[in-house]
Amino acid sequence: GENVEQHPSTLSVQEGDSAVIKCTYSDSASNYFPWYKQELGKGPQLIIDIRSNVGEKKDQRIAVTLNKTAKHFSLHITETQPEDSAVYFCAATPRRTGTASKLTFGTGTRLQVTL
Amino acid sequence: GAVVSQHPSWVICKSGTSVKIECRSLDFQATTMFWYRQFPKQSLMLMATSNEGSKATYEQGVEKDKFLINHASLTLSTLTVTSAHPEDSSFYICSASSTAVRSYEQYFGPGTRLTVT
Repeated sequence: GENVEQHPSTLSVQEGDSAVIKCTYSDSASNYFPWYKQELGKGPQLIIDIRSNVGEKKDQRIAVTLNKTAKHFSLHITETQPEDSAVYFCAATPRRTGTASKLTFGTGTRLQVTL
Repeated sequence: GAVVSQHPSWVICKSGTSVKIECRSLDFQATTMFWYRQFPKQSLMLMATSNEGSKATYEQGVEKDKFLINHASLTLSTLTVTSAHPEDSSFYICSASSTAVRSYEQYFGPGTRLTVT
């Protein structure tokens, strides 16, 4: 089955700096890679996702890059703000049209944005 | 759109009792629902996948007789923790997916914190 590794486990940055979180996956059949933000005591919230036919996707201060050859993908947050502080999870799945696919999650990165 | 709710948000029960957690898709029909558990400072671990009208598919190591899942309608799935023990204390999160929309996207509920005393 799929195995997703995520680094770093904790990340502290100053407000305004950039944050980068990296994930690697093992199953070459995986073709959908979402990123989730989880605040304390809440469920995960999708913040951005990317499919395997795209190398990069950006949404305001958040961007995700995918390298299918190396089987890794990264989350980039620019101009970080205190409200970005949370735990971030990457995930991977072999998406198939018409069916709901199981997600394999990374181990999470606790991001702390300091003033 | 794509809102998923869970009830209750937190529950405390005594060891040996059973507790039911509800997961509802509020504005779409969920053909598939997933149940996860999450221990403090850990990742989400998939427990089971349920399709409306079918028996749930449990992940390896998850006791199906202990964690009863019912997906009776396209908007409701329930997880019942039977004969709960302190080690079942955890954060339980459901997600819902619809093949009618973006079948690969899962919409997560806010979670239910279970404490077994």
